[in-house]
Amino acid sequence: GAVVSQHPSRVICKSGTSVKIECRSLDFQATTMFWYRQFPKQSLMLMATSNEGSKATYEQGVEKDKFLINHASLTLSTLTVTSAHPEDSSFYICSARQGVKNIQYFGAGTRLSVL
Amino acid sequence: QKEVEQNSGPLSVPEGAIASLNCTYSDRGSQSFFWYRQYSGKSPELIMSIYSNGDKEDGRFTAQLNKASQYVSLLIRDSQPSDSATYLCAVKRSNDYKLSFGAGTTVTVRA
Repeated sequence: GAVVSQHPSRVICKSGTSVKIECRSLDFQATTMFWYRQFPKQSLMLMATSNEGSKATYEQGVEKDKFLINHASLTLSTLTVTSAHPEDSSFYICSARQGVKNIQYFGAGTRLSVL
Repeated sequence: QKEVEQNSGPLSVPEGAIASLNCTYSDRGSQSFFWYRQYSGKSPELIMSIYSNGDKEDGRFTAQLNKASQYVSLLIRDSQPSDSATYLCAVKRSNDYKLSFGAGTTVTVRA
């Protein structure tokens, strides 16, 4: 399968700081990437769809000014959690959509802990 | 009605047995279906994709799709302890590229 790289794998930060997470498709071009959040023992929750060269589209209830998404190239999308608070602590996972089969390949995830 | 529903589990099977996972979906226009495996603390990993009615086999895994019944299943033959994980059924929505996920079924394979 295709490879999606996500960094960092773990972040511990102080409340009020911003954290940037990178998601790269290593062996294919992805016009569409997705950002998910997952709380313990729950399923994936889609936060936003990241479209190369255009604005991200956010799911209902997700604050676009808090979760900034940039998809500057066909292989890179970034998620910035601005002014993080303890309630933002979660497992953030990106995925990249490959080709006409619409398969989403996932990055390894980023575990964010806000103190 | 949830978009994707899975048998809630947990499902416990002895080593070497068949694990059977079921999934139903509500979007009748969906054409792409996926099974992901997620180990505890890790991200989902694609194990099967299926697009046409019938069976699709890949090693010890067999996916079955019945669009008329809006039903997808996954069989794991000769289950191994390494198959112990949560299995997520995902359905691509008919009107965009997003996936709808089921809540997952946790499988435990007893040695």
